[in-house]
Amino acid sequence: RKEVEQDPGPFNVPEGATVAFNCTYSNSASQSFFWYRQDCRKEPKLLMSVYSSGNEDGRFTAQLNRASQYISLLIRDSKLSDSATYLCVVNSRNTDKLIFGTGTRLQVFP
Amino acid sequence: DTEVTQTPKHLVMGMTNKKSLKCEQHMGHRAMYWYKQKAKKPPELMFVYSYEKLSINESVPSRFSPECPNSSLLNLHLHALQPEDSALYLCASSHPGGGETQYFGPGTRLLVL
Repeated sequence: RKEVEQDPGPFNVPEGATVAFNCTYSNSASQSFFWYRQDCRKEPKLLMSVYSSGNEDGRFTAQLNRASQYISLLIRDSKLSDSATYLCVVNSRNTDKLIFGTGTRLQVFP
Repeated sequence: DTEVTQTPKHLVMGMTNKKSLKCEQHMGHRAMYWYKQKAKKPPELMFVYSYEKLSINESVPSRFSPECPNSSLLNLHLHALQPEDSALYLCASSHPGGGETQYFGPGTRLLVL
């Protein structure tokens, strides 16, 4: 079983749609959780960190369920510019090593 | 400023060449990383430096040799590479200690002929 699992997609959605991505992780000692966004042929960029209490940044909402070892990202009112690959990333306790999911590809169409 | 810079942007080299990739950050981060990314795959960790000392080597072949001359710079020396080493090489930095956000540079796109 992979340490971090994501549905690879692609998710093809129209502008204005709401889309949700899910991610599960296997190591219960995992301490920190992130969503990164990666555009084609570019570097990953931090979208948001994920906290147990849930957090929201504009149209983006991230949730963490430690009991189920599950992370989610909700994007509301999708824009064409949201088209990218979304990487679920987990960090184990007391280590600098990030574990990446395979990424979920999102394509928003007009 | 959350900028990590990498040079060169693109590199083409033969299997007998020696080349170096360079990475620089001025965010005061004391952890720096090299990743390799193939098309349609997530980044794979190669090396981690923490306080300028190599702390993680993910069983990378010796034809890749990292170097951390100071807290702002990270190099990756390449020698006798294989065509399958062609990939995007990403540098990242963070505060050390686990759980910290890593900031990535734009990468060097390497082609080995």
